[in-house]
Amino acid sequence: DTEVTQTPKHLVMGMTNKKSLKCEQHMGHRAMYWYKQKAKKPPELMFVYSYEKLSINESVPSRFSPECPNSSLLNLHLHALQPEDSALYLCASSSKSGTSGTYGYQETQYFGPGTRLLVL
Amino acid sequence: DQQVKQNSPSLSVQEGRISILNCDYTNSMFDYFLWYKKYPAEGPTFLISISSIKDKNEDGRFTVFLNKSAKHLSLHIVPSQPGDSAVYFCAASGYLFPDKLIFGTGTRLQVFP
Repeated sequence: DTEVTQTPKHLVMGMTNKKSLKCEQHMGHRAMYWYKQKAKKPPELMFVYSYEKLSINESVPSRFSPECPNSSLLNLHLHALQPEDSALYLCASSSKSGTSGTYGYQETQYFGPGTRLLVL
Repeated sequence: DQQVKQNSPSLSVQEGRISILNCDYTNSMFDYFLWYKKYPAEGPTFLISISSIKDKNEDGRFTVFLNKSAKHLSLHIVPSQPGDSAVYFCAASGYLFPDKLIFGTGTRLQVFP
């Protein structure tokens, strides 16, 4: 089972609203990710949590606030977003695989279905 | 600086034929390469991967080839089916855990009857 679930599937919010995106995985993965994808572009990494601690923040504006309550859950809190933040938000999780490369073990990231966000 | 490139934005192939999607990279420290398939408004679905110590990996109709000296990988789909029509992203990562996936810009594959 390689399922990552995300809620809600769609979200419309005004620029003054506060909302949260949720992500869940039960694969025992110890790393979880938030990506943002605009139309016709590849996913762009936003945040990475490793063992429930924030390990990578790709200089994301503070109006996006991630939270990892436990090893299975990842939230993205949204506040005072701009229309240009409208995009598909993707969650992913991964763990070290048994595949070894030149430098060590590798990981495969599995993505959820995404939340399509529209900011008005 | 685009470290992973997919130079063909689109590819059209007849059903039953071979589809070949290409990907080039510049960073010699990349250790692991993956292909994802993506339908509109959905998350990417992992297809197949290859480690830097291999030159080929096969899974059913999908085969990925890696040429490290040329910094080039390709995904072969044989035979192509209409359900394969989607955008395909190649991605690369290093050896850290967790590590950032660097995605190519994608190739839209259309398989026609």
